Parts: sequence; structure tokens; C-alpha cells
Amino acid sequence: QSVLTQPPSASGTPGQRVTMSCSGGNSKVGSNSVNWYQQVPGMAPKLLIYRNTQRPSGVPDRFSGSRSGTSASLAITGLQSEDEADYYCAAWDDSLNGWVFGGGTKVTVL
Amino acid sequence: QLQLHQSGPGLVKPSETLSLTCTVSGGSISNNNYLWGWIRQAPGKGLEWIGGISSSGNTYYSPSLKSRATISADTSKNVFSLRLESVTAADTGLYFCARRVRGWYSNGGFYYYYMDVWGKGTTVSVSS
Repeated sequence: QSVLTQPPSASGTPGQRVTMSCSGGNSKVGSNSVNWYQQVPGMAPKLLIYRNTQRPSGVPDRFSGSRSGTSASLAITGLQSEDEADYYCAAWDDSLNGWVFGGGTKVTVL
Repeated sequence: QLQLHQSGPGLVKPSETLSLTCTVSGGSISNNNYLWGWIRQAPGKGLEWIGGISSSGNTYYSPSLKSRATISADTSKNVFSLRLESVTAADTGLYFCARRVRGWYSNGGFYYYYMDVWGKGTTVSVSS
């Protein structure tokens, strides 16, 4: 069972807006910033969002992150077929000195 | 541009030791701002932190794997490695190495962390 909680699936048609949440039951999300990764099965995860809301260079601006209290969210605006992938949230746990992850949300483009 | 290149066997026998190496190019593992880590993913499952090693050689492990995992680094070769002893079928999966960045957000007054560069992954099967 993952430390961070994500919905297992989300879907939308091309052009729609899709959102997914990430919540931390014991305030892991609350105490450290959240990152979001996109993973195509069998490939390495790709960093989409760091420090809750920041996009690395090269990540399209249709991806956006937000944070409210102990929950974080990722939104994809203007969904595209290539966005079909698994999305993971992650936070650094200072007490563990390690990463805690959400279980992942599978995004399907209908 | 920093790249991580993974190497190691894809098949390990039960009870034996899994050994993987991550070679860093385009940067030094001795840089103080980074932690070099290992993450794995069982088939059809999510990501799991195994552990990491800092530039000063401090190591950190997931509590669930601490008794079997050893992470080391060779700064002369710019590589870091994972050894996982006494493997079982439950250790089958896709193994990644990754760099963790630590930054300071002055406006918020906190450190933030993220993994920005990943190896391509090594599929490891534990089977006789």
C-alpha cells in the first residue's frame, strides 16, 4: 500500500481537462513539496512538476501542479493522445530519508 | 548533459545477489547537491524507493530493504552500485537509478527535492 493516495484512473477525450489528486495520510505531502512524474509503461519516469507547481524546461504548459494543505493535484489541460500514461506523485520524507510515492493514476485518452 | 547508464544482469537465481551499476556521465557524483538513488517497480505495480548514497558517502535505505540492500559508490569511476542479497521472486521488476536534486526555496524558507535524471531501467527477473 502506497504512502500517498492517488486515484487509480482518470480519463478524458482529446482537448479536455483532466485532474488527479495526491493526498498524504500522515502529512508527508504537507511537510515537503510534491513532484509529479509521467511514466509510459516499461520506460523511465519523466519529471513533470517539482516543488508543487514548477515545470522543468521542456515540459508543456498544459501540465500544471497545485497544492492545498496536505493535498496536491496535477492537471492536464488540452489532453492529447500522447498524454496516455501513468502519473505518480512523490515526496521526500525527511524521517525516512527516502521517497514516498503514490500508487499512480493511469490516464486514458478516450 | 547528465546521463545515467545502467548495467547488470537481467536474470538472477533465487537466494543469490542482484548487482546493478549506474554510470554517471556529464557530471560528477561528488557534487554536494545530489543524492544518487535506486528505485524499483514490480510488474504492474508502482514505484518503490530502495535507497541512495550522498556525495559524502552517507547511505539511506528503505526500512523494508535495509537488511538486504547495499549501495556504494566509486568516485574514481563516477559510478554507484546496488547489491540486493538473498533475492526472491518478489524482487523481480524494473530497476532504475536516478539523481535527486536538493534546492532551497528562499521565498518559502524550505528545502525541496526532486529526481530529475533517470537511467533507462534494467529489467531483473529472479528465477531458477
